[in-house]
Amino acid sequence: GAVVSQHPSWVICKSGTSVKIECRSLDFQATTMFWYRQFPKQSLMLMATSNEGSKATYEQGVEKDKFLINHASLTLSTLTVTSAHPEDSSFYICSASPGAYPDEQYFGPGTRLTVT
Amino acid sequence: KNEVEQSPQNLTAQEGEFITINCSYSVGISALHWLQQHPGGGIVSLFMLSSGKKKHGRLIATINIQEKHSSLHITASHPRDSAVYICAVRTYNTDKLIFGTGTRLQVFP
Repeated sequence: GAVVSQHPSWVICKSGTSVKIECRSLDFQATTMFWYRQFPKQSLMLMATSNEGSKATYEQGVEKDKFLINHASLTLSTLTVTSAHPEDSSFYICSASPGAYPDEQYFGPGTRLTVT
Repeated sequence: KNEVEQSPQNLTAQEGEFITINCSYSVGISALHWLQQHPGGGIVSLFMLSSGKKKHGRLIATINIQEKHSSLHITASHPRDSAVYICAVRTYNTDKLIFGTGTRLQVFP
């Protein structure tokens, strides 16, 4: 089946620093990738949708200057949390959708970010 | 009211029991997903449905488009099935998924 990886799986950083999270589709080309965040015991919240080669579309309330998304190739999207604060601590999950089958989404294992 | 509702929110079962988790939605959809999230956090896509029924091992998913309802069944449940099960729908003309709040399942030996 289709596999999506994320790196790192967990990261601890200090307040004010930036953290980059990678999302890769390993065995298919992902024309669309999605970034979600999840707080404890809550469901996933869509942050942004990115299409290869174009700017990401951010959901209402998500600061695009704080959460920088780059979808530079059909197999890689990155989320950079800039000037991280403790309230950015969360579980970040990406998913990827192959262009030929837009109904399908494959999820990455997630990245747990802790900002101290 | 949420556009995607799941029931029950929490479910405990003894090993071997037959389990049903329900999902109702109020929007027009092109597809419905059932996802599994283990305590470590990673999400596994179990099924994607647009009609009818699908089976994979001990898992069965059904959907009734007219009634806007889907069920996930687990036969002969096992402690390793303990996880949060999430229903998500893809609405017409959009890439986005709308998620239910999840059903937390615990299966005891």
